[in-house]
Amino acid sequence: SQQGEEDPQALSIQEGENATMNCSYKTSINNLQWYRQNSGRGLVHLILIRSNEREKHSGRLRVTLDTSKKSSSLLITASRAADTASYFCAPSFNFGNEKLTFGTGTRLTIIP
Amino acid sequence: DAGVIQSPRHEVTEMGQEVTLRCKPISGHDYLFWYRQTMMRGLELLIYFNNNVPIDDSGMPEDRFSAKMPNASFSTLKIQPSEPRDSAVYFCASSHRGEAFFGQGTRLTVV
Repeated sequence: SQQGEEDPQALSIQEGENATMNCSYKTSINNLQWYRQNSGRGLVHLILIRSNEREKHSGRLRVTLDTSKKSSSLLITASRAADTASYFCAPSFNFGNEKLTFGTGTRLTIIP
Repeated sequence: DAGVIQSPRHEVTEMGQEVTLRCKPISGHDYLFWYRQTMMRGLELLIYFNNNVPIDDSGMPEDRFSAKMPNASFSTLKIQPSEPRDSAVYFCASSHRGEAFFGQGTRLTVV
């Protein structure tokens, strides 16, 4: 299917710990994005990594991309209660076409 | 810019009625997306436009659903007639060069 699949489906960790989520996809990509959704709200863009990049940082977020394995990971360091949300990856498969589709996401719960 | 603006935020309607959801994308964005989110089906892409032209409407569930983008600053998603199974949160998003911005969504309840 033309979308990423996030793993695990749900993750609960203690505040202050690191959280890692994974995304797998099936065909070559142009770029891959990660989004966050707080309950009842629209998705918020977190980070975009291009196919020729292997790692990217933004604040407490670290994203890696392994095109040979067709996978990406999102690491949130020093988690906070406010990080509780669902996280989605969105691979972009078509060069010059910005179609965005989403999987079922990873539901992250930070326990205070 | 105020971001992507959707209206109404909440809509409760009776089965069989026509429902129109509205979206104002961010100025300068050339892509506009309509999504539907439910617990059972997750976040589904219904249709998307590029420069006001529909590119892919394969996600539109039935002929009861239609979407238009008459100009770069406005789009509508219409359901006629509505059914209880259409109850969901509908999101509009716009993008330029990849990063998409989402509206707050319209929570539709069909009774």
